[in-house]
Amino acid sequence: EVQLVESGGGSVQPGGSLRLACAASRFAIVNNDMSWVRQAPGKGLEWVSSMSTNGVNKYYADSVKGRFSVSRDISNNTLYLQMNSLTAEDTAVYFCGKGSRPIDSWGRGVPVTVSS
Amino acid sequence: DIQVTQSPSSVSASVGDTVNITCRASQGVNNYLAWFQQKPGKAPKSLMYYVYILQSGVPLRFSGSGSGTEFTLTITNLQPEDFATYYCQQYHRYPLTFGGGTQIEIK
Repeated sequence: EVQLVESGGGSVQPGGSLRLACAASRFAIVNNDMSWVRQAPGKGLEWVSSMSTNGVNKYYADSVKGRFSVSRDISNNTLYLQMNSLTAEDTAVYFCGKGSRPIDSWGRGVPVTVSS
Repeated sequence: DIQVTQSPSSVSASVGDTVNITCRASQGVNNYLAWFQQKPGKAPKSLMYYVYILQSGVPLRFSGSGSGTEFTLTITNLQPEDFATYYCQQYHRYPLTFGGGTQIEIK
């Protein structure tokens, strides 16, 4: 069974940075699109970013464009989300997903809190 | 951007009932429409894609229908484990967009 484990979340002050990681097992991320989706407290799901199988095509929600960057390490089978210039509106649980169109498996999520 | 609207936002139902959830897109999505289930404090679970194709392991009481801009998730013979929040998502064009969610509550 596919497994996705997110890490790297935590509390950070406004303007700070975090890098989330999503370690994948039982499948190779190099053969799949991958995505990040977030959920603010008490709110619905919001797509954040996706990376295509070739690793070249990257897509971002307008709300994070220019601040967040998705990347991957094929040797470690891990997807990353570098988050810079964080604001309170970025406070959410961040989920990693296998696939993008569509997502077919999800990690358990990692919380990110942006607060002074 | 393609806007996705779900209705109702919540519904009360009993075990054994049939529930229908509607998802409307602001423009055609070429049937690239997925459904997800989420329970409190848990990760979403993928239920269905391309309107009606069930993900592996999803019970047959879940079904999807529709085309163009209007789609429906139907759950027949509602089971206790089905009480959750359901989201639709269009994946026809970036940015990918989700509906606001429909919570199925126990009557």
